[in-house]
Amino acid sequence: KNEVEQSPQNLTAQEGEFITINCSYSVGISALHWLQQHPGGGIVSLFMLSSGKKKHGRLIATINIQEKHSSLHITASHPRDSAVYICAVRNGNQFYFGTGTSLTVIP
Amino acid sequence: KAGVTQTPRYLIKTRGQQVTLSCSPISGHRSVSWYQQTPGQGLQFLFEYFSETQRNKGNFPGRFSGRQFSNSRSEMNVSTLELGDSALYLCASSLGTGLAKNIQYFGAGTRLSVL
Repeated sequence: KNEVEQSPQNLTAQEGEFITINCSYSVGISALHWLQQHPGGGIVSLFMLSSGKKKHGRLIATINIQEKHSSLHITASHPRDSAVYICAVRNGNQFYFGTGTSLTVIP
Repeated sequence: KAGVTQTPRYLIKTRGQQVTLSCSPISGHRSVSWYQQTPGQGLQFLFEYFSETQRNKGNFPGRFSGRQFSNSRSEMNVSTLELGDSALYLCASSLGTGLAKNIQYFGAGTRLSVL
């Protein structure tokens, strides 16, 4: 059983659509991260959350600690948003990662 | 400010050999973490160093080791390479320790192929 589950695994959207990626975790955490990985491997940290909601440009991340669930929203999606989005949590001295959601935004 | 630099970018080795990968963190960052990424297992945490001390370690065999120098640069070593060690190895640096406390900045990774 994976400590971090993401859905969907793959997502294709038309440019301009509103996108939601979900992350559920089964362990107690001190923080949750959303990462973006573009083809070629480079990873960018988008958000670090321990409660509530954060917004950066067209990206919004929310977390519900009681329900052990987080969502990443992309408003007005654009082809440059095409990437793999990975949810990551820290539990004690261990780090756990979701398997990622591969997003393709079609012009 | 320069980002996290990993060298080499690509590496091909044969089974049984050993390999050393290098990571130079962002200037001023004292924490370096290493991760392995494979198509089958996804991202997995290897270890975390802060001020030359290993703070945390993931569930990897003892063939995987690392160290951090006084200038915060870090190396990881894999001995007796196996085919399953073929992966993208990512290094990330942060000001403090752990994902929980600081945003991590990732390098471009070293892609290791074991033949």
